[in-house]
Amino acid sequence: AQSVAQPEDQVNVAEGNPLTVKCTYSVSGNPYLFWYVQYPNRGLQFLLKYITGDNLVKGSYGFEAEFNKSQTSFHLKKPSALVSDSALYFCAVRPYRAGNMLTFGGGTRLMVKP
Amino acid sequence: DVKVTQSSRYLVKRTGEKVFLECVQDMDHENMFWYRQDPGLGLRLIYFSYDVKMKEKGDIPEGYSVSREKKERFSLILESASTNQTSMYLCASSFSEGTYIQYFGAGTRLSVL
Repeated sequence: AQSVAQPEDQVNVAEGNPLTVKCTYSVSGNPYLFWYVQYPNRGLQFLLKYITGDNLVKGSYGFEAEFNKSQTSFHLKKPSALVSDSALYFCAVRPYRAGNMLTFGGGTRLMVKP
Repeated sequence: DVKVTQSSRYLVKRTGEKVFLECVQDMDHENMFWYRQDPGLGLRLIYFSYDVKMKEKGDIPEGYSVSREKKERFSLILESASTNQTSMYLCASSFSEGTYIQYFGAGTRLSVL
């Protein structure tokens, strides 16, 4: 069965510094990988996805993520954090040819301090 | 823009009440989903529907049922609400082919007293 791990419950970073939110996965076959963001009292918003092709994927709001097959990771990154990036971030995986459901990680809270 | 609308943002119900959570999407998506979100547990799938009147159990279906009579509408039903069903409930929808991106509603925060 597939699984997703987000090893950090919270990540703290100063505004202007680079940020990384970690995600590792375990699936059979080639995965579809996703990042979502949730702002307070809101639903999840899609940020970016990896399906195939270039291992570096660019998404909304200046975020990017790097797919690393050998390390089974899909870390979310941003070169310069903003206070408004403070939110809850979820990584999700869909195994290749495995239907319509996604498996989500437990979420990582990102706190960007001014 | 895709729009997924959940009928209530906040609900307070009593133990034993029958509770209906409604979700409507306007993108003609085949798939609709109900998740439960609890701190530290991420999102857990309750039920999934891939077509009208079709449903599949997710990871935590106990205590819940669903109804999909029209393509755009997916209802979650708590037959007899219990305090351990106090949670944030999220509805999502997606196409059955393509990128499999799920689009989420704003959520319903349910408190069962």
